[in-house]
Amino acid sequence: GAGVSQSPSNKVTEKGKDVELRCDPISGHTALYWYRQSLGQGLEFLIYFQGNSAPDKSGLPSDRFSAERTGGSVSTLTIQRTQQEDSAVYLCASSLNGEGLFFGSGTQLSVL
Amino acid sequence: AQRVTQPEKLLSVFKGAPVELKCNYSYSGSPELFWYVQYSRQRLQLLLRHISRESIKGFTADLNKGETSFHLKKPFAQEEDSAMYYCALRPGGSYIPTFGRGTSLIVHP
Repeated sequence: GAGVSQSPSNKVTEKGKDVELRCDPISGHTALYWYRQSLGQGLEFLIYFQGNSAPDKSGLPSDRFSAERTGGSVSTLTIQRTQQEDSAVYLCASSLNGEGLFFGSGTQLSVL
Repeated sequence: AQRVTQPEKLLSVFKGAPVELKCNYSYSGSPELFWYVQYSRQRLQLLLRHISRESIKGFTADLNKGETSFHLKKPFAQEEDSAMYYCALRPGGSYIPTFGRGTSLIVHP
């Protein structure tokens, strides 16, 4: 593939609904990251997957957030019972060895 | 825990002027430092890494361990340099970088 692919590019949802965000990393990249980008807040780390190891979930802001990575490739970030403060751009990135991250275009999530 | 500080939210210069985007960090070990750039309507991408000691698009950055800084510099700014710049630190032994809040660079004609 040409790069990290994220879908949807935009998601508008109502408060209280669940959403799923998808990330397709660069083929062969064993590391996958989710970050959240809010206006003026920079990039906030959410979760990190490396190969078949247990993910580092230390950045997830609450138990409403979860993520999985199937077959060491595609990842899904799920936000349950969305709140307005969840509105942000959710970025996925992949890396071969952590030397540099390759980012997707992001999903703009708006919670009304 | 490590921290990355970019003290300027916005930096505005004229074309041809020198530019320096500041990045300070706090970390007790040996970090790896990066600069990432996001041009308008494009995805975030790696600009340079301190261990490469390279110049990309005329930009350089030197790691100053004494001052715990990794400032990004370019002697003559161009309009196409206008973008959002993020400094990032990866702690030794970790694969998870911490990002600063970013500096928006605007280069006026």
